[in-house]
Amino acid sequence: GAVVSQHPSRVICKSGTSVKIECRSLDFQATTMFWYRQFPKQSLMLMATSNEGSKATYEQGVEKDKFLINHASLTLSTLTVTSAHPEDSSFYICSASWRQGGTDTQYFGPGTRLTVL
Amino acid sequence: DQQVKQNSPSLSVQEGRISILNCDYTNSMFDYFLWYKKYPAEGPTFLISISSIKDKNEDGRFTVFLNKSAKHLSLHIVPSQPGDSAVYFCAASANSGGSNYKLTFGKGTLLTVNP
Repeated sequence: GAVVSQHPSRVICKSGTSVKIECRSLDFQATTMFWYRQFPKQSLMLMATSNEGSKATYEQGVEKDKFLINHASLTLSTLTVTSAHPEDSSFYICSASWRQGGTDTQYFGPGTRLTVL
Repeated sequence: DQQVKQNSPSLSVQEGRISILNCDYTNSMFDYFLWYKKYPAEGPTFLISISSIKDKNEDGRFTVFLNKSAKHLSLHIVPSQPGDSAVYFCAASANSGGSNYKLTFGKGTLLTVNP
């Protein structure tokens, strides 16, 4: 099956600093990658859709200047949380879309737990 | 407005029995549906999907049924095993043919399979 990795798996940072999270598709090329966040006991909320070589499309209510997304290649997308605040503490999950048999299925990374002190 | 609903936050079944997880949707544009399994502090794992042109898809112990007229789908796991204990998310998309499709997730159902 398709494997998606995320790094780091866990990060603790001070308020005001920036944190970068990497998402890689290890055994397939993903034209599209997605970034989600999940609050405790909540569903996954899509933050943005990222296409290789173009600007990300952000969902309503997501600050694009705060959550910077770069999709440099077909196997790598990064999410940078800039000037992090405690309310940004959450579980961030990426996914990569893989086309098989004419349909696209999203495969998810293991997630990154961000804690902002 | 929640477009994908999983009305049962939890479900408990006995090992060896059938687990039935339900999902309802309101957006008639949805044409592709997926089930994911998720353990705490991990990303979701893809289980099975179904296109709106079908009403059933089977993969080993997992079967997904789709009732388009009722806007309802269900995931059947048989026989259930303790390792199946996890949160199950139902997801839907409105453009199965494009790689830019967005998934809308339900809130999940916690399945506990008791030995």
